[in-house]
This record gives sequence, structure tokens and C-alpha cells, in this order.
Amino acid sequence: GAVVSQHPSRVICKSGTSVKIECRSLDFQATTMFWYRQFPKQSLMLMATSNEGSKATYEQGVEKDKFLINHASLTLSTLTVTSAHPEDSSFYICSAREGGPGNQPQHFGDGTRLSIL
Amino acid sequence: DQQVKQNSPSLSVQEGRISILNCDYTNSMFDYFLWYKKYPAEGPTFLISISSIKDKNEDGRFTVFLNKSAKHLSLHIVPSQPGDSAVYFCAAGGRGGGTASKLTFGTGTRLQVTL
Repeated sequence: GAVVSQHPSRVICKSGTSVKIECRSLDFQATTMFWYRQFPKQSLMLMATSNEGSKATYEQGVEKDKFLINHASLTLSTLTVTSAHPEDSSFYICSAREGGPGNQPQHFGDGTRLSIL
Repeated sequence: DQQVKQNSPSLSVQEGRISILNCDYTNSMFDYFLWYKKYPAEGPTFLISISSIKDKNEDGRFTVFLNKSAKHLSLHIVPSQPGDSAVYFCAAGGRGGGTASKLTFGTGTRLQVTL
């Protein structure tokens, strides 16, 4: 089955630090990747859609300059949380969608628990 | 505005019995629906999906039913096993999501399968 690897799984850092999270599709090419954020006992909230070779599409209310997304290849997308503050602490999850016609499911990484002190 | 709703935050079912998880949606433009299973500290795992041109899709112990007129879908797990204990999310996508691949998730239902 389709495997998505997300790294790191957990980050604890000081306020003001920038944190980079990687999302890789291991056995398929992903023209589209997605970045979600999940607060405790809440649903997954889509932050942005990352398209290979073009700019990411951000959801309403998500700061582009705060959450930098780069999708440089068909197997890698990165999310950089710039100058992180305690309110950015959350569970960040990426997903990747296989290319091809018709509907295709998204496959998820295992998430990154970000804790800003 | 919660376009995908899972009104039951939790469900407890005895091993061997049927588990029925429900999901309602409000956006009639959704045409693709999925169920994901999630364990703590892990990402969601894709279980089963259904297109709006169908009303049922079956894969082993998992069956998804779609009632378009009621904007309702359900996931049936039979027989339920202790390893099925997890949080289940329904998700919807399609034209209603703005792009064909964007998904909107429900808030999840925690299933506990007891011995």
C-alpha cells in the first residue's frame, strides 16, 4: 500500500525557533500533498494544499508567511513553522494523494507533535 | 460551519457484534466519501471509500453505505474485533471542497470494542 513518511515525529523547542517538517511519499509519486493541523479532541483542519512545482494554496485564516510550504519534488513536501510561538503547539499531519484519473484517497504520515516552550 | 458531522463522539460495542458509525454532511456538492481509522499518536489510515454514484461499497469486514437524499453515510464493521478500537473519521471531497482532491473531515467517533 501507499506509504507516507513524516519526520520528525516530535519536536520540542524554544519560542522564536523555526521548525521544518518533512513529508515523503515512499512508494508513489504525489503531485499533491496536504498539510493538516489537529487540536486535541478536534478534527483535522486543512492548512494548505501543496502542489509540486507551484505555490501552495492556503486555507482561509492560515498565514502564508508563518507556515512556509515547499513541494520541490514529486515525493517531498516540507512545512516550515517560522518563529514558532506557544500557540503554534499542535499535531501537524501531512498527506499525499496519488496521481491518476478519478478519485484517489489521501494517505497520511504519522504526524509531528510540535511543542513550543 | 461544520460541513461533515459525526454526532456520536464515542461508541462501545462487544466483540463479535456489529459496529455502526454514522456521518452526516451538509454540502450537496460532495461526491466522494472516505473513512479513516486513527490510533493515538499516529496518522489516519485509509479504510474504505465510496463514490456518490454508488450506495454501498464493501471490503472484507467493512461496508460503507451512502444515502445521498439524506446526506448520510455509515460504516459497518462486522464482526467487530478488539483491534478495531480506534478513532474513526469520515471525510468528504469532490466539487464541494473547492478542488477535486481536497477533503473535509468530521470530528471523529471513538470506537471501543470490548471483550
